[in-house]
Amino acid sequence: ILNVEQSPQSLHVQEGDSTNFTCSFPSSNFYALHWYRWETAKSPEALFVMTLNGDEKKKGRISATLNTKEGYSYLYIKGSQPEDSATYLCAPEGSQGNLIFGKGTKLSVKP
Amino acid sequence: NAGVTQTPKFQVLKTGQSMTLQCAQDMNHEYMSWYRQDPGMGLRLIHYSVGAGITDQGEVPNGYNVSRSTTEDFPLRLLSAAPSQTSVYFCASSYYYPKKGNTIYFGEGSWLTVV
Repeated sequence: ILNVEQSPQSLHVQEGDSTNFTCSFPSSNFYALHWYRWETAKSPEALFVMTLNGDEKKKGRISATLNTKEGYSYLYIKGSQPEDSATYLCAPEGSQGNLIFGKGTKLSVKP
Repeated sequence: NAGVTQTPKFQVLKTGQSMTLQCAQDMNHEYMSWYRQDPGMGLRLIHYSVGAGITDQGEVPNGYNVSRSTTEDFPLRLLSAAPSQTSVYFCASSYYYPKKGNTIYFGEGSWLTVV
């Protein structure tokens, strides 16, 4: 079973700040890396799926990079807004398509 | 657009009772799975299925049964509920092929309390 670490555990920023989180995972037995955005009482929302070393994905103000050789991914949010407040989950994908989730980074953006 | 539908959304059970959490998807996905989410823990995989008639155990399968008689449905059965099964349960589905990098879609969760 992959051990997935996310840091920081929580983050409080002001509106307009840019921020980033880290996801680290064993680089072997890796098939893809998924990022999710999760608000309490809602279903986790898929942000990115990345499969290639050096892959970069972008969706509006949110972007992500992947380094499969060293086993880490970064998620960046540019100009944070209060509606970005959520828990951000990363999950490497194993050989059967199963996701192994980290505990998440809880982001709070103050107006 | 129904996507992944879970029922019930909330349930309170007494210790020892049995119940079934229902999950249905209308996207013709081969892969379906159940996760549970507990405070301070990441989502943990209970059981999964890569097609009708095929199921397998995840990280925390004890106390749960699943079956996959159709592509659309993947019910999760609690055989004899215990307080340790108090949790939020999420069903998820995706295409299985190609076997890498398919977006996995989640239901809205089922909140279960065992007293």
